[in-house]
Amino acid sequence: EPEVTQTPSHQVTQMGQEVILRCVPISNHLYFYWYRQILGQKVEFLVSFYNNEISEKSEIFDDQFSVERPDGSNFTLKIRSTKLEDSAMYFCASSEGATRGYTFGSGTRLTVV
Amino acid sequence: QKEVEQNSGPLSVPEGAIASLNCTYSDRGSQSFFWYRQYSGKSPELIMSIYSNGDKEDGRFTAQLNKASQYVSLLIRDSQPSDSATYLCAGNNAGNMLTFGGGTRLMVKP
Repeated sequence: EPEVTQTPSHQVTQMGQEVILRCVPISNHLYFYWYRQILGQKVEFLVSFYNNEISEKSEIFDDQFSVERPDGSNFTLKIRSTKLEDSAMYFCASSEGATRGYTFGSGTRLTVV
Repeated sequence: QKEVEQNSGPLSVPEGAIASLNCTYSDRGSQSFFWYRQYSGKSPELIMSIYSNGDKEDGRFTAQLNKASQYVSLLIRDSQPSDSATYLCAGNNAGNMLTFGGGTRLMVKP
C-alpha cells in the first residue's frame, strides 16, 4: 500500500536553530499538507499546498515557517528559528482530491531544547 | 471559530460490545467528514469517510452523519482489544483543510 514517508523520525534542535522536515507524499496525490500535534493536544492544521503553491495556511504558520517542493517527489517544512513551543509531532499528509481523506506520514517528533 | 467537539473519554466497553463515538461540528459549510484512529505515539489512520446524510458501513464500522443536527458518529461492532485507541473526528472547511476534534479514547477490555 502506498505510504507517505517522513524523515527524520525524531529531531532534537537548540532554540533558535533552523530545522527542515522532509516528506515524500504518495506519488499520484496532488494535495499536500503539514499538521502538528503538541503532546496531548489536537491535531492542528499548518498549511496546504497544491499546484506548487500554498493554498491555505493557519495562524500558526507565521513568517518563521515555509514550505517547498524542491523536486517532483519531496515536500519540506522549514522552521527558521525554532522556539521551545515548536516542540511537537509534525505530520505530513497527502490526498488525491480536495475533499478526500488524507494519508498521514508516520511523523517527525521535533524537540526544541 | 470552526470547531469539532468530541468527548475525550475514556470510553470503556467490553470485548464484543458495540462502541459508539460521537462528534459535533460548528461549521455548517463542512461537507466531508472523516474518522481517524490514532494509536499512542503514532500518526492518524483514516478508517471512514462520510459525505452525505445517513449511514455508511464498512466491515465492523458504521459512520453516521446528520447535517441538520451537525452530528457525526462512529459505531464499532464486535469491539476488539486491538480497537483500543484514540478516535479523531474531522471535518473539512470550504477549502481543503481538515479541522480535527480532540479525540475520544476508547478502551476495549478483554
